Amino acid sequence: AQKVTQAQTEISVVEKEDVTLDCVYETRDTTYYLFWYKQPPSGELVFLIRRNSFDEQNEISGRYSWNFQKSTSSFNFTITASQVVDSAVYFCALRNSGYSTLTFGKGTMLLVSP
Amino acid sequence: DTGVSQDPRHKITKRGQNVTFRCDPISEHNRLYWYRQTLGQGPEFLTYFQNEAQLEKSRLLSDRFSAERPKGSFSTLEIQRTEQGDSAMYLCASSLTENQPQHFGDGTRLSIL
Repeated sequence: AQKVTQAQTEISVVEKEDVTLDCVYETRDTTYYLFWYKQPPSGELVFLIRRNSFDEQNEISGRYSWNFQKSTSSFNFTITASQVVDSAVYFCALRNSGYSTLTFGKGTMLLVSP
Repeated sequence: DTGVSQDPRHKITKRGQNVTFRCDPISEHNRLYWYRQTLGQGPEFLTYFQNEAQLEKSRLLSDRFSAERPKGSFSTLEIQRTEQGDSAMYLCASSLTENQPQHFGDGTRLSIL
């Protein structure tokens, strides 16, 4: 069985602060994929990143960066210099190789105030 | 390249009525997924198709739920004899292959009176 835990229900920051969203996963498979999605108030889930279990290199995309650590089963997401437009619910998700379905965490609501 | 399209955006109905939702995936995406999301929760998998074949169904999908993808393009999700507990956002996603990311539509929000 697989499970994704996002322990932070809600985070509030002031614009320009850095913020890290935590994600811890559980799986028995050795090959799997991890994802982050953003869900703004409009409701559409927006794909941000996919990482496979064999690639532990951290990734940076603009103000976004991701830290994947297999030793702690974590895939954390950091937003640098947050902006009001970053306000949304962020979901971490897991897919085991050979399966098509995603297992999502409960999400972390990020509120960025001016 | 248009995104995943879902119709309607909102549906309000009385308990006991049947409802049907439609999803149009991204063109050429042969995999199509349905998820359900309730307030404060992440999406939960319901079912998915590869072309017109329904390959997997979640235990969440009771006998009152049925999904089709008759020509391997758009899909419909029908709920018969709706119950209060069916109130949720129903999300559709599509992907080009199993290994490509799933792209989601805006969802259909169902409210049962």
